[in-house]
Amino acid sequence: EPEVTQTPSHQVTQMGQEVILRCVPISNHLYFYWYRQILGQKVEFLVSFYNNEISEKSEIFDDQFSVERPDGSNFTLKIRSTKLEDSAMYFCASSVGGWGTEAFFGQGTRLTVV
Amino acid sequence: DQQVKQNSPSLSVQEGRISILNCDYTNSMFDYFLWYKKYPAEGPTFLISISSIKDKNEDGRFTVFLNKSAKHLSLHIVPSQPGDSAVYFCAASASYSGGGADGLTFGKGTHLIIQP
Repeated sequence: EPEVTQTPSHQVTQMGQEVILRCVPISNHLYFYWYRQILGQKVEFLVSFYNNEISEKSEIFDDQFSVERPDGSNFTLKIRSTKLEDSAMYFCASSVGGWGTEAFFGQGTRLTVV
Repeated sequence: DQQVKQNSPSLSVQEGRISILNCDYTNSMFDYFLWYKKYPAEGPTFLISISSIKDKNEDGRFTVFLNKSAKHLSLHIVPSQPGDSAVYFCAASASYSGGGADGLTFGKGTHLIIQP
């Protein structure tokens, strides 16, 4: 069964460093998303991406964040200068359509900023 | 601002009985609702969804009910099985942005524990 894959599963980085989280969405999906879950809190929407551009973003997704689809398969989230509060589980998701279709999630990347 | 609320952090149900998980929402623009199940160290797994034009959707042991006037939805699992023990998230989205790639708003989740 097709699945969304994320690498790495765990990333430890020093405060102020840049990190890139990688995702391979399901191949026939057209909509891509990043979510995060801080420990003990709810899953929060960060950004959605369609047709090679950002479709929607939340207040969390400030100038420190960027997304890219550098080739036909990968979808990346970059955090330019990490802060302690960026420590969270980051989930990539994809869906075949937009509204009204279910999003399939990857297993997540645990980001720890020290 | 909690637009999607799951007021029960945990729920314990005996195996074979019905599990009912509840979810309330405040944003009247939400018109598509989903339930996800999550095991530790894994991503959310889609279970079932319902659009606002329906009041019920059923898929095997899982049924979702939507009461738009009360802004309430529930997930029924019957019969409950040990493998159902997980955290269940209610999520919602709105079509107001023209059918684009809308983000989901999640509730905080309910930890369902199925007792043997």
